[in-house]
Amino acid sequence: SAVISQKPSRDICQRGTSLTIQCQVDSQVTMMFWYRQQPGQSLTLIATANQGSEATYESGFVIDKFPISRPNLTFSTLTVSNMSPEDSSIYLCSVEAGGWTSTDTQYFGPGTRLTVL
Amino acid sequence: AQKVTQAQTEISVVEKEDVTLDCVYETRDTTYYLFWYKQPPSGELVFLIRRNSFDEQNEISGRYSWNFQKSTSSFNFTITASQVVDSAVYFCALSERYNQGGKLIFGQGTELSVKP
Repeated sequence: SAVISQKPSRDICQRGTSLTIQCQVDSQVTMMFWYRQQPGQSLTLIATANQGSEATYESGFVIDKFPISRPNLTFSTLTVSNMSPEDSSIYLCSVEAGGWTSTDTQYFGPGTRLTVL
Repeated sequence: AQKVTQAQTEISVVEKEDVTLDCVYETRDTTYYLFWYKQPPSGELVFLIRRNSFDEQNEISGRYSWNFQKSTSSFNFTITASQVVDSAVYFCALSERYNQGGKLIFGQGTELSVKP
């Protein structure tokens, strides 16, 4: 498995502002994923972030709203831009453990609980 | 299209009871993976098991067991002699390896409450 940390663990933000969430992994990984979990709901994939290429966004998610960076093989950021109360969710990053050789199992960070007022 | 259905939204049992969480999936892929994750009240998602589509052997790990049946597209999870610490939301998930690049499709989750 991989040890994944996220910062911040939680935040309360005002509408119209932006928040950048960091995800750090203790080993080099090829693929990193960002998920959103709205209150009482399941997880939905926002985008897949591979190092050295543009992130791939799922239907319903756009780069202007959720810009992602992937500067190296152990780190990624997700920005939630121009926030509204509907963005209040838990945001989780995940990685496929195994580094260059995927084990096809995703391990998740502890999540960032975002509340937008 | 791919889909995961967990029909049980909430289950409540008394400690030491056995409980089975149902998961039914839909996929057109012949190569896929199925997963179970546990999300305790603290919020982190804990990996429990992965099964690939070519391996229908059931698996047991302590009080946990999983029954994978391709004929009914089901991947059910049983907790034997449940404990209060098992209280959590449990998610079943599907990954279509070659068509979706590792994307996980989650079911809606089953909230399990184990009362003392």
